[in-house]
Amino acid sequence: TQLLEQSPQFLSIQEGENLTVYCNSSSVFSSLQWYRQEPGEGPVLLVTVVTGGEVKKLKRLTFQFGDARKDSSLHITAAQPGDTGLYLCAGGGADGLTFGKGTHLIIQP
Amino acid sequence: SQTIHQWPATLVQPVGSPLSLECTVEGTSNPNLYWYRQAAGRGLQLLFYSVGIGQISSEVPQNLSASRPQDRQFILSSKKLLLSDSGFYLCAWGQLPYEQYFGPGTRLTVT
Repeated sequence: TQLLEQSPQFLSIQEGENLTVYCNSSSVFSSLQWYRQEPGEGPVLLVTVVTGGEVKKLKRLTFQFGDARKDSSLHITAAQPGDTGLYLCAGGGADGLTFGKGTHLIIQP
Repeated sequence: SQTIHQWPATLVQPVGSPLSLECTVEGTSNPNLYWYRQAAGRGLQLLFYSVGIGQISSEVPQNLSASRPQDRQFILSSKKLLLSDSGFYLCAWGQLPYEQYFGPGTRLTVT
C-alpha cells in the first residue's frame, strides 16, 4: 500500500508570511496532485505534476515534484486569508489516487 | 465544461435505515467515477470506483454498495446504515488515471 505523509498537520501564520508544506512517501508515483478544500465543500484540484523535478507556479503558489517522484512541496508566497483551507496531496499510480491526510492551513489577517 | 452534481447535500438518517446517494456528471462521456468518504477534516478514503456502466470495484469491505446504471450516474447505497457510516461522502470523476474532479459532497449523519 502506498502512503503519503503530509507535514505539518496544522499551520497557522500571519497574512503576508511565506510557508512551505510537504508531501512525502517511500513509494514512487507516476504523478502527484495538490488539492485545496474548504469546510463543507469538495476538494478543488490546484495542480498536477508528472515529471521528476518539475516546478509549476500558480500565482503565489509554487509546486515542486521531487526528482525521484516520491515527494512534493507547496510553497505559498505572501499568504492571504483566502489561502486558508485543507491542502491535500494525492499520488497517482496503477490503482488510482492515494491521498495524504492533509495540512490544515490558517492565514490570520 | 464538465460539472458534477451530488444530492442530497445533507442527510440525517436513523441507524438501520437504507441509504441512496446520487452523483451525476455532465459534459463528458465514459468518465471514471469514484466514491470517497472523508472523516472530519482529514484525508479521503476510496470506497468504490467504476470505469464503465455496470463495472464496480470495491476498495473497502463494508455495508455499502455502489451501482452505475448509466454512463454518467453513480449511486452509493446501503440496506441498513450503521453509526460508523456517518461522514462526508464525495463523488469524483476523471478521464486520466491521475486526475480527479470532485463534487460538492453529501454530509451524512446517522443517529
